[in-house]
Amino acid sequence: AQTVTQSQPEMSVQEAETVTLSCTYDTSESDYYLFWYKQPPSRQMILVIRQEAYKQQNATENRFSVNFQKAAKSFSLKISDSQLGDAAMYFCAYDMETSGSRLTFGEGTQLTVNP
Amino acid sequence: EPEVTQTPSHQVTQMGQEVILRCVPISNHLYFYWYRQILGQKVEFLVSFYNNEISEKSEIFDDQFSVERPDGSNFTLKIRSTKLEDSAMYFCASSEAIGNPYNQPQHFGDGTRLSIL
Repeated sequence: AQTVTQSQPEMSVQEAETVTLSCTYDTSESDYYLFWYKQPPSRQMILVIRQEAYKQQNATENRFSVNFQKAAKSFSLKISDSQLGDAAMYFCAYDMETSGSRLTFGEGTQLTVNP
Repeated sequence: EPEVTQTPSHQVTQMGQEVILRCVPISNHLYFYWYRQILGQKVEFLVSFYNNEISEKSEIFDDQFSVERPDGSNFTLKIRSTKLEDSAMYFCASSEAIGNPYNQPQHFGDGTRLSIL
């Protein structure tokens, strides 16, 4: 079974600074997808960024980028130029390659952005 | 941008009562999912649904739970006889089914907070 682990329950960052959230996972599959979802206090789940395991290039989405280390099974999220609106719970998630398969989530990291 | 919509946003129900949570997935999506998040815990998969039948379900999804797509737009989760431990945020999600086997990301609704008294 796949597992996802986020070892940082809480992180904080100063506004305009950079922060990195960690995620590790375990799988025996060679092709899969990894995601970061953001859950602000409003509780909705918002897709931040997605990485296909078969791609060596790290995904980027504006101020958000990932460091995907397939051999180490590590998938960290870097937020550059942090903004107050980035404050949220961040979940790392794993999905198999097959359409319609379940997402497996990590425990989450609560990010605080200090003005 | 198209959204997954869920109603109600908050549902309060007496223990033992039946509850139905409703979702309208994004219109061209064909895969539908329910997840739940107990307060302070991680998001857990309940069930996935495709082509009018359950594709996969977790060990949480026991006989008390059922899902249905009663018409062309709604996707519902029914809990037959609610228990205190069913109190949680329930998220509906949907995804496209194009480019198989390449997976498409799941888009989530805002969730329904279910409180069992």
